[in-house]
Amino acid sequence: QVLLQESGPGLVQPSGTLSLTCAVSGVSIGGNSWWSWVRQPPGKGLEWIGEIFYSGQVSHTGSTNYQPYLKSRITISVDKSKNQFSLKLTSVTAADTAVYYCARETIIRRGWPSWFDPWGLGTLVTVSS
Amino acid sequence: EIVMTQSPATLSVSPGERATLSCRASQSVTNDLAWYQQKPGQPPSLLISGASTRAAGIPARFSGSGSGTEFTLTISSLQSEDFAVYYCQQYNNWPLTFGQGTRVEVK
Repeated sequence: QVLLQESGPGLVQPSGTLSLTCAVSGVSIGGNSWWSWVRQPPGKGLEWIGEIFYSGQVSHTGSTNYQPYLKSRITISVDKSKNQFSLKLTSVTAADTAVYYCARETIIRRGWPSWFDPWGLGTLVTVSS
Repeated sequence: EIVMTQSPATLSVSPGERATLSCRASQSVTNDLAWYQQKPGQPPSLLISGASTRAAGIPARFSGSGSGTEFTLTISSLQSEDFAVYYCQQYNNWPLTFGQGTRVEVK
């Protein structure tokens, strides 16, 4: 059974950096999956913000895709030794307040995205002073 | 960006009745469409992928149809546990996008 669990600070100062980690269990993070972050502002809908693919090869640091308007602020990376991936979002504002979910996309067609399954339980990050 | 539009925003249905939810894409996504159910305080959970393939463990009362730009999720006979918010999502191209959701509530 594949399980994902988010962790990180629940409160971030405006203009600061939001940092979250998603621990993956039940499957190796290197292989046939994209690993994504999706967020949901309180009372609103879902927004995909980015993903990473890690092949598992030593020389591969990961291929990423990001939400275009976030590209200047977002970084997603993999820590293969801990079987986890991370999100960093810089220069945050109140608009970044949301529940952040990590999720797996099983690759069905090479080079194409996929659906999200499973999801972590999510973690609420509030941007406030 | 492919814009996904769901209708209606809220659907009021009595238990045992049929619910029909719509999702429209701003351009063709072929059948690269998924449906999710989200209950309060929980993450979304996958119902359907490939526009019509039920995920493991999903009851047969949930069915998906459509291709191209028009998609439908049908719940044939609503059970109490089905009252929730439903989202469609396209995975035909980046950025991945969701519809704004349809809330299915008790009539």
